[in-house]
Amino acid sequence: EPEVTQTPSHQVTQMGQEVILRCVPISNHLYFYWYRQILGQKVEFLVSFYNNEISEKSEIFDDQFSVERPDGSNFTLKIRSTKLEDSAMYFCASTLLMAVGETQYFGPGTRLLVL
Amino acid sequence: KQEVTQIPAALSVPEGENLVLNCSFTDSAIYNLQWFRQDPGKGLTSLLLIQSSQREQTSGRLNASLDKSSGRSTLYIAASQPGDSATYLCAADSNSGYALNFGKGTSLLVTP
Repeated sequence: EPEVTQTPSHQVTQMGQEVILRCVPISNHLYFYWYRQILGQKVEFLVSFYNNEISEKSEIFDDQFSVERPDGSNFTLKIRSTKLEDSAMYFCASTLLMAVGETQYFGPGTRLLVL
Repeated sequence: KQEVTQIPAALSVPEGENLVLNCSFTDSAIYNLQWFRQDPGKGLTSLLLIQSSQREQTSGRLNASLDKSSGRSTLYIAASQPGDSATYLCAADSNSGYALNFGKGTSLLVTP
């Protein structure tokens, strides 16, 4: 069964460093999402992406964050200068369409720890 | 902004019991509501999706219902098993887009 994959599974970085989290969405899907979950808190939406453009973004997704589809299979989230509060589990998701009845399929997540 | 609340926060039941998990949302103008399962330290597994025009969806021992007008959804688990132990998350979008807004989840423990 097709699935969303994410790499790395864990990443430790120093405050102020740039990190890139990678996702491979389900192959025929067209819409991609990033969410995050700070330990003990709700899963929060960051951004959605279609046709090389951001479709929606939350107030969390500020200028420190960017997303990119660098090739036909990868979808990346970049955090330019990490802060302690960026420590969280980051989930990628994808859907075929952005429509009623479309299930969002989530990857296993990347656990980011900023020291 | 869509706010999603789940009750109870935690639930412990003996194996074999039927149980109901509750979810409420503030903005009834949704497109989709999804129920997920999350095992400790793991990703989100989609269990059921209910479209805004639907009243319920079933998959195996799981049944999810939706009452848009009252802003409520329930997840019914029949004949619970220890393997059902996990956190169950409810998520709803809103008419401003398809971004999912999650509840804090219900942590379920099914004891043998």
